[in-house]
Amino acid sequence: TQLLEQSPQFLSIQEGENLTVYCNSSSVFSSLQWYRQEPGEGPVLLVTVVTGGEVKKLKRLTFQFGDARKDSSLHITAAQPGDTGLYLCAGKRSGGSNYKLTFGKGTLLTVNP
Amino acid sequence: SAVISQKPSRDICQRGTSLTIQCQVDSQVTMMFWYRQQPGQSLTLIATANQGSEATYESGFVIDKFPISRPNLTFSTLTVSNMSPEDSSIYLCSVEVQGTNTEAFFGQGTRLTVV
Repeated sequence: TQLLEQSPQFLSIQEGENLTVYCNSSSVFSSLQWYRQEPGEGPVLLVTVVTGGEVKKLKRLTFQFGDARKDSSLHITAAQPGDTGLYLCAGKRSGGSNYKLTFGKGTLLTVNP
Repeated sequence: SAVISQKPSRDICQRGTSLTIQCQVDSQVTMMFWYRQQPGQSLTLIATANQGSEATYESGFVIDKFPISRPNLTFSTLTVSNMSPEDSSIYLCSVEVQGTNTEAFFGQGTRLTVV
């Protein structure tokens, strides 16, 4: 069973469109992170959210952490070809082995010019 | 932040051979993590490497297949032993930096193809 369910798995859109990627779980996370990975590179951290209900903005990217800290979303406004990549959510569970990151399956985004 | 150098960046290996991947960090870190990422897939944790103790392996990964060394606080190696085509994957090392939030940083990965 996947601890972090990420959707959609694939997304192909035209430049200028908006999109939202979702990351859902039945578990509570003490923090949740979003990464972008380009071909041939390791994942690069975009943002960390830690507080339920928190909203963070990074230029055209808006990240939200659910009130119960079980889900998160990434919204991109006016997507550009440079946004193309694999977007991964990852979380640290509250309690237990909370030093380990659990990754979602990723969303492969293609923005066509 | 942390800068991680991983090498080799890619390799093509014959089945039955072994490959050792190196990971160098520009600062001292307690834990280093080794992940596998199969084509088009997400990251799966192989093991956690602590300096001065044996690595902790995740379910489905064993020390005989993926021996790990951690000789000091800035360096680790992962060996993929007795390789088969099923081992073809990207292998990534990662460290976590304690700050306002604990953040993970990754090397650029090693793309391994076993033929």
